[in-house]
Amino acid sequence: DTGVSQNPRHKITKRGQNVTFRCDPISEHNRLYWYRQTLGQGPEFLTYFQNEAQLEKSRLLSDRFSAERPKGSFSTLEIQRTEQGDSAMYLCASSLDPGRSNTGELFFGEGSRLTVL
Amino acid sequence: DQQVKQNSPSLSVQEGRISILNCDYTNSMFDYFLWYKKYPAEGPTFLISISSIKDKNEDGRFTVFLNKSAKHLSLHIVPSQPGDSAVYFCAACSTLGRLYFGRGTQLTVWP
Repeated sequence: DTGVSQNPRHKITKRGQNVTFRCDPISEHNRLYWYRQTLGQGPEFLTYFQNEAQLEKSRLLSDRFSAERPKGSFSTLEIQRTEQGDSAMYLCASSLDPGRSNTGELFFGEGSRLTVL
Repeated sequence: DQQVKQNSPSLSVQEGRISILNCDYTNSMFDYFLWYKKYPAEGPTFLISISSIKDKNEDGRFTVFLNKSAKHLSLHIVPSQPGDSAVYFCAACSTLGRLYFGRGTQLTVWP
């Protein structure tokens, strides 16, 4: 399977615990995005990487959130001291540089669903 | 700052008829507009896109129309099939490659 891979698919945790999600993008894609989706909403942008450089972070990304892409390949999204409001589907997507894509398409993984009790 | 808006949360259509999903946007600098389809417990999958320099793009049963002066686009599905039942997201792409999504429209196609 050469699509975007995310794990774990589901995570249930208690409030105050730390969680980490991993994303493996499509291998030739140098752009990697993290989005969050809650019930009744569309995906909301969190952050993105160009290779290993984190180029933009949304104001939705509080200090408890940190994302890394250390070697420009896979990425991790860590949430510290989780709160019930963090419960959501966390989506990872990858793409070519915008200049090399003629559709603007992002390729999404199946998401990691977080439930904070 | 909801730059992409889908004002109809749901649409119900009989099999074989046309489904029309609508989307409005506020930023005239968007380069591409895309439609994604999402089933429960899965990530969004790309359906069709249109460049801001075009007004129509067709792919099989799916056609997207863009009206730049009205900042409006629509997705037409003809004929609609039960397997088309899903949530459809409209998205707009900036020059940075980031996508801005609407809240989605749940399409239900009934036999």
